[in-house]
Amino acid sequence: DAGVIQSPRHEVTEMGQEVTLRCKPISGHDYLFWYRQTMMRGLELLIYFNNNVPIDDSGMPEDRFSAKMPNASFSTLKIQPSEPRDSAVYFCASSLRGGLAGVRAKTQYFGPGTRLLVL
Amino acid sequence: DQQVKQNSPSLSVQEGRISILNCDYTNSMFDYFLWYKKYPAEGPTFLISISSIKDKNEDGRFTVFLNKSAKHLSLHIVPSQPGDSAVYFCAAPESSGNTGKLIFGQGTTLQVKP
Repeated sequence: DAGVIQSPRHEVTEMGQEVTLRCKPISGHDYLFWYRQTMMRGLELLIYFNNNVPIDDSGMPEDRFSAKMPNASFSTLKIQPSEPRDSAVYFCASSLRGGLAGVRAKTQYFGPGTRLLVL
Repeated sequence: DQQVKQNSPSLSVQEGRISILNCDYTNSMFDYFLWYKKYPAEGPTFLISISSIKDKNEDGRFTVFLNKSAKHLSLHIVPSQPGDSAVYFCAAPESSGNTGKLIFGQGTTLQVKP
C-alpha cells in the first residue's frame, strides 16, 4: 500500500487566497483525521471523519476552515480566505477501526504533510 | 485540559548511551498508549505501543514502560543512534466512546550526538 497520500507537499499563497489541501487515506481505513502542527501549539486535531461522516470538528479554528470527505478515498481541507497565521504543516492520517482490526485499530497512519505558507 | 503531557521539550544524548523519553497522563481510563517518531519534513510514524494490562513492551532497541499508579510511561532507546534524532510523541486513544481519536503530547525533540 502507498500509505496516506497528501497533495500538494508545499503551498505558498498570498493572504486572502483560497487554499485546498488534499488527502487520500489508506485503502480500507474507515477513519480520517486532519491535524495541524505549529511550533507554538504542537500537533492539533482539526477534524475527523468516520465512514466519510464528520464526527468532531471542534478543533477547526474558525469558519474559514472547512473539510469534506465525498468518498472513502478522498478528503479536502479548505481555507478561505487564508491568513498568515494559518501557516503551518497540515497532516492527514487514517486508521482502521473495524471489528477485526484489534490493536491495529488504535494506530493512525500519517501522510507526509503539506507545508503551507501564507504571505 | 491536557490529558497527555511531555514535559521535556528536548533531550540530547551521546551515541551509544540510553535515551529516556517521558510522558505523563491524567486520565486513568486510558487503556492503550502509543509512541510516534517524526523526522523533519515527514509525517509522524508509529513506533511502539503498550496496552494498559502490561507494564513493559520491547521491540529491538525500543522499550516502553508503563507505571499505571504514577500515570507515567517512558520510552527507552538503547543504544541510541544518530538516526534516532527526531521528535517523539506519546499518544493515547480517547477513552470516551470508541472514537478512534488519539490524544497527543506536545512532543520531545531528541538529539543523538555522534
